[in-house]
Amino acid sequence: QSVLTQPPSVSASPGQKVTISCSGSSSNIGSNYVSWYQHLPGTAPKLLIYDNNKRPSGIPDRFSGSKSGTSATLGITGLQTGDEADYYCGIWDISLKTGLFGGGTKLTVL
Amino acid sequence: QVQVVESGGGVVQPGRSLRLSCAASGFTVRTHGMHWVRLAPGKGLEWVAGIYADGSEYCYIDSVKGRFTVSRDPAKNTFYLQMNSLRAEDTAVYFCARDLSVGAFDYRGQGTLVNVSS
Repeated sequence: QSVLTQPPSVSASPGQKVTISCSGSSSNIGSNYVSWYQHLPGTAPKLLIYDNNKRPSGIPDRFSGSKSGTSATLGITGLQTGDEADYYCGIWDISLKTGLFGGGTKLTVL
Repeated sequence: QVQVVESGGGVVQPGRSLRLSCAASGFTVRTHGMHWVRLAPGKGLEWVAGIYADGSEYCYIDSVKGRFTVSRDPAKNTFYLQMNSLRAEDTAVYFCARDLSVGAFDYRGQGTLVNVSS
């Protein structure tokens, strides 16, 4: 059971927008930067968002991140079938010197 | 081009050891925080261990403390995970990642499978 809570699954239709939440506490999300990752089976996870809302080079602006208090949100617009994957939030807890991930959310594009 | 090649995984009996390697190219392991993250069958991502960029901290998840050790060899531009006293629950695909920013794990390899089984 992760201390960062994500919904197990979300679904939406192609072209629509979806949001995935990541809920924590003042000691984890509230005090540290949040990252988001996309994982397709058989591949390495891909960093989508870091420092709450920054995109690495090559990540399209369809992906966005935000943080408010003890929660963070990943947004994906213009959904494509290729976006079907597991999505994880994560932090580096500076005080505990530990990496933490949410339990993951399976996105289905119907 | 930034990439890593993880190697060293395999099938091993409980209690035995393995050393995973992460050979980097396109960047220098000495100047980046480096981490190992694993994905066990049917489970989610789990951070395992890491080194700060300046080498000031070596960090481990509680379940591997005293059994796993991370290190890096600047001359070979390679990052390692020495795994001793392996347990069935260590079975997973292990990925290495560099810090793009603090705690932002940039994965560039395909991972290596560790299967601890008698």
